[in-house]
Parts: sequence; structure tokens; C-alpha cells
Amino acid sequence: NAGVMQNPRHLVRRRGQEARLRCSPMKGHSHVYWYRQLPEEGLKFMVYLQKENIIDESGMPKERFSAEFPKEGPSILRIQQVVRGDSAAYFCASSLIGVNSPLHFGNGTRLTVT
Amino acid sequence: QKEVEQDPGPLSVPEGAIVSLNCTYSNSAFQYFMWYRQYSRKGPELLMYTYSSGNKEDGRFTAQVDKSSKYISLFIRDSQPSDSATYLCAMERGDAGGTSYGKLTFGQGTILTVHP
Repeated sequence: NAGVMQNPRHLVRRRGQEARLRCSPMKGHSHVYWYRQLPEEGLKFMVYLQKENIIDESGMPKERFSAEFPKEGPSILRIQQVVRGDSAAYFCASSLIGVNSPLHFGNGTRLTVT
Repeated sequence: QKEVEQDPGPLSVPEGAIVSLNCTYSNSAFQYFMWYRQYSRKGPELLMYTYSSGNKEDGRFTAQVDKSSKYISLFIRDSQPSDSATYLCAMERGDAGGTSYGKLTFGQGTILTVHP
């Protein structure tokens, strides 16, 4: 797990604020995934990105959520105008080649919306 | 009905016991099957990764996939207190050509406690 770095580990936001979650993949990995774990629920796929490209965003809520993975720097998951229902653990994962390649997860960012 | 069903437990066993963890699924298109271990306040850690049916062994862990029954299992031999964690099964369809892309469907997780 230490290979995928997520920050911050904990994030508290008031309703209506923006949340920015960062993820640096394992060294050499260029494929990044975001998953969300709601209380009492399993992990849910949100989005799959490669450098500068969104490959699959079928799990992303239609509004307020966006993700990017720029050529330089970490992947960012952005949540605008947060609501209490956004409170969850957000996990980033990376894989080496993105195809037939297992995912390695970070330790997550726990978002609390007050 | 959830695509992947997993008994949340909790499951409590004595040290040295053989542990059996299971998941059932409804979508016959799933081709890739994984088991992750998640310690409290940590991210999931990959334990086993298998394609299609059959068995796979790695140390004290054995994964079994029975696609005809839509049933997968993880066995832990000689369980240790350090095995106490939540165990997550995960699956992926793959595309028409059998390629997986990391879009996993997870079970809810089974909480396991191994007591000395």
C-alpha cells in the first residue's frame, strides 16, 4: 500500500465547500483509478484515468465531481459544493499497464462533510 | 439484488484454524476474481488475483473459483492474529476479448478476527 500515496489522509469540509483529493501512483504506473467507500457499503468504482485522459468515468456522479491526471503531478479528484452524502473514504489505485494488471490501492482520504 | 454478495460476518476463529471466506455473484460475465485484505483505516491490499475458474495457492492462502456455481472462496490455513482484517472479494467482467481494465465490483467485505 505504501506505493500509492494519497493526501490528505483526513479532510473536513463544510457543506458547499470544495474538496480536492490527491493521488500519486506507484512508481512506473501510469493508470489511476478512484473508488469510493461509503459507510456500510463496499468499494464503488468512480473513474479510470491515464495521463491526460479520462478512460472510463461511468461511476462518477453527473454533477459536482471531476477528476484529472495531468502530464505532470498527481491525479486530482475534485468535489465541488460538497454535501453530507459525500462523506466517505476515497481510495486511489494504480496499475502498471492498465490491462490485465492488478490494482494497488493507497490508504485513502477520509472526507467528512459537516 | 447486489451483483456480488458477501457475508459481512463478523467471523471469529481461534489461532491455527482454517478460515473459509466466500462470495457469490449473479453476473456470469465476470472473468477476473480477486481477494483483498483491508486493515482498519488502511487501503485494500491485494492477496490473490485469478482469471476464470480453478484454484490458486500462495503460501497459506488458496483461492478457488467455480464459475458454474458463480461462487468464489478464499481459504486461509494456520490462521494468525495478524490475519484479523476485513476481506474483500472483487470481480471484473473484462471486455469482449477478455481484457480487464480495473473496473472492479466489490463485495461488502467479511470482518475476520483470529484470537490467540
